[in-house]
Order: sequence, then structure tokens, then C-alpha cells
Amino acid sequence: QKEVEQNSGPLSVPEGAIASLNCTYSDRGSQSFFWYRQYSGKSPELIMFIYSNGDKEDGRFTAQLNKASQYVSLLIRDSQPSDSATYLCAALHQAGTALIFGKGTTLSVSS
Amino acid sequence: DVKVTQSSRYLVKRTGEKVFLECVQDMDHENMFWYRQDPGLGLRLIYFSYDVKMKEKGDIPEGYSVSREKKERFSLILESASTNQTSMYLCASRSADEDWTGELFFGEGSRLTVL
Repeated sequence: QKEVEQNSGPLSVPEGAIASLNCTYSDRGSQSFFWYRQYSGKSPELIMFIYSNGDKEDGRFTAQLNKASQYVSLLIRDSQPSDSATYLCAALHQAGTALIFGKGTTLSVSS
Repeated sequence: DVKVTQSSRYLVKRTGEKVFLECVQDMDHENMFWYRQDPGLGLRLIYFSYDVKMKEKGDIPEGYSVSREKKERFSLILESASTNQTSMYLCASRSADEDWTGELFFGEGSRLTVL
């Protein structure tokens, strides 16, 4: 079974720090990866996606992909209490139709 | 504003009952999905559909079936509910465009309790 693995946390960082969230995947055929954020009691929402090896930046968020190591990460710079949520890593599977999610990492940013 | 609507936010059913969870999207999306979300287990794919009357099994299809008779509607059916199907069920949809940027549109979820 194709899997996406994440450390469940919780990951605790102080306000203003960099939060680093990590994810590994088992299917070398996966080409596309996504980070979703889910606030407590809410549905997941897309933060960003990455297809190519290297870094991709969007505001305070940077996604990193290393296909050789089958590793995806999300960096959040200048973390804010409003970033406290569960972060879900996902890979595109099922012939490029469905997203398979990891179990999520809970991030807590303290003020 | 794009929308995925799940018919029931909260349901309580008894073991052995047949349960229908309905999902409707207004974005003319080709692809629709059913996930369940449990503490410590994350989001797990039950079934998905890429076209009307087409369905594919996800990672945990046992005990579930689906129906997609119209493009906008995707139903999840529990033929005989069991207590281990107590969970939050999330419906999602997305376009099949080649330039799709990864956004799944989720409904608000249906929390099912099976007694």
C-alpha cells in the first residue's frame, strides 16, 4: 500500500520561530505533493503544492521536495499563533486522481 | 463561491442500519471523493469517482459502497452500519483539468456515530 508518513507531533515552537514539518512517501512513482492545513473542527485547506525537486516559496511558507530521498517538507517562517493547526502532507496517487494523506502533524505556536 | 455540501452534519445510527451520506458540489467537478478521518489515523480514502457511474476503491472500501448517478452528487452508503464505522466523513471534489493545482474542495463533514 502506498503510504505517506508524518510525525504526529505535537510540534511546539515559539512565536516568530521557524516551524519545520516533514513527510516521507513510499511510492517512487509519485510526482506531485501537497500541504494542507486543518484547523480544529474545520475541513482541510490547501496551502501549497510542489512538483519539482528543490524549494518553492509562497509568502512565509516554503515547500521542499527531494525525490531521491522521497522526502517533502514545509517550513513556516515567522510562525504565528494563528498557524497552530494540523498540517497534512499528501501525494497524488491512483492514476493521478486521488490524494493520499499522511496522518498529519499538529503544530502549536505559543505567544 | 464554490461549495461542497454534505447533507447531514451529525448522524446517530444503530448497528445494522443502512446509512446514506450525501454530497453535492456546484463546481461541475469531474472527480469526487469520500474520506474518513479518525484521531491518530488521519484522512483515509474510501472511494472516489472520476465520472458519472464510475467509481474506484480507495484504501479502505470494505463495508462501504458509493453511487454517482449525477455529476454533482456522490453518495456514500453503509449497507449495515457497525460501531467501527463511527467517524467523521469528508466529501471532496476537484476538477480534472490538466493545470489542476492540487486544491480539493471539502465539505464540512458528517460526523456519524453508530451505537
